Amino acid sequence: DTEVTQTPKHLVMGMTNKKSLKCEQHMGHRAMYWYKQKAKKPPELMFVYSYEKLSINESVPSRFSPECPNSSLLNLHLHALQPEDSALYLCASSQDQQGHYEQYFGPGTRLTVT
Amino acid sequence: LAKTTQPISMDSYEGQEVNITCSHNNIATNDYITWYQQFPSQGPRFIIQGYKTKVTNEVASLFIPADRKSSTLSLPRVSLSDTAVYYCLVGDSGGYQKVTFGTGTKLQVIP
Repeated sequence: DTEVTQTPKHLVMGMTNKKSLKCEQHMGHRAMYWYKQKAKKPPELMFVYSYEKLSINESVPSRFSPECPNSSLLNLHLHALQPEDSALYLCASSQDQQGHYEQYFGPGTRLTVT
Repeated sequence: LAKTTQPISMDSYEGQEVNITCSHNNIATNDYITWYQQFPSQGPRFIIQGYKTKVTNEVASLFIPADRKSSTLSLPRVSLSDTAVYYCLVGDSGGYQKVTFGTGTKLQVIP
């Protein structure tokens, strides 16, 4: 199974809502990532978890809160988002965090903040 | 972090070979070069990775000259389904995957 799954596929939320994005992989990968992608732009790295510990936070606002409950799951908790946070949120995983391991990406969650 | 530069867009006719070049002048000794393909509203998909010389797999070839300051992704006989954005990435020299996606190359395959 070389698949990364993400739920939900689409999410519409108001600026006062709290919601969560979920990502799952069963490839035994020990590194997991969150990216944000705006239309016609490349993916931007947000967070990296390595062996279930947060190893990289790319100065992401605190309204985004990542969580890695176990080695297969990655969550992104959203609270008090702004309309400019509307984007495609991509999850990825790799065997390890070393730079020569390929990343497997999920299909993304399309988030719209109203 | 090694920065990459690619053409913003390219057009090609079906059946032709397409070569997309990426410049990475400040690549570090331990960096690998990786290419990803992305279709609209989908996550990127790994195509190929190399360190030096030439790498070939079932979908593409990657050519890396001796100085490693550039690399060329070669797609043989493209079809309409190869229309996508292609990203060249260079791995962080510290060994940790804090890679940065460049602007990518939008390849349009024409019938």
